[in-house]
Amino acid sequence: NAGVTQTPKFQVLKTGQSMTLQCAQDMNHEYMSWYRQDPGMGLRLIHYSVGAGITDQGEVPNGYNVSRSTTEDFPLRLLSAAPSQTSVYFCASSRTGGLNEQYFGPGTRLTVT
Amino acid sequence: LAKTTQPISMDSYEGQEVNITCSHNNIATNDYITWYQQFPSQGPRFIIQGYKTKVTNEVASLFIPADRKSSTLSLPRVSLSDTAVYYCLVGPGTASKLTFGTGTRLQVTL
Repeated sequence: NAGVTQTPKFQVLKTGQSMTLQCAQDMNHEYMSWYRQDPGMGLRLIHYSVGAGITDQGEVPNGYNVSRSTTEDFPLRLLSAAPSQTSVYFCASSRTGGLNEQYFGPGTRLTVT
Repeated sequence: LAKTTQPISMDSYEGQEVNITCSHNNIATNDYITWYQQFPSQGPRFIIQGYKTKVTNEVASLFIPADRKSSTLSLPRVSLSDTAVYYCLVGPGTASKLTFGTGTRLQVTL
């Protein structure tokens, strides 16, 4: 199993550009989520999904969109990048969500200039 | 999710036992306690989860007193590779939204 994979590993965007961060898991997990982590801070939940076709907002959803057309994939779209979105983005999956064991991807380091 | 309080940082020497305590005074009856570990430039990794008393696995032990208002993560004989940030999370097993605080930064030195 590859576990949770994320692409790209690094990305630099200009203000106003859009892009999609990819996340995939091969563990047949129903629950997937996206977090952002700013320097020296904990993780903040952006969006999550409890199954294909179902998504919901987390703590900091503004400026981001998600969709869940398959169990395996959960892409995160930045609609119009802003410097405040400079951060490290982590995708996670788990069998049933919540406090059950979550598996995190390696992260995407995004810089917006 | 229940609010948690952990020390911001801790220092230890290699080979010592490290205990990190998390306070969660408003823990609910159906809440579980979960600890994650995060190395620099990596995503968090699940360490251990418990509901009451003591839980032990190959990595750590989790001690939960009868009132469940706090919990202690115990790392036996730490090594340099245990230098990481440790997060305590408290909430129901069915919670959809997890909240990671700033965690406890453990620095292990020789």
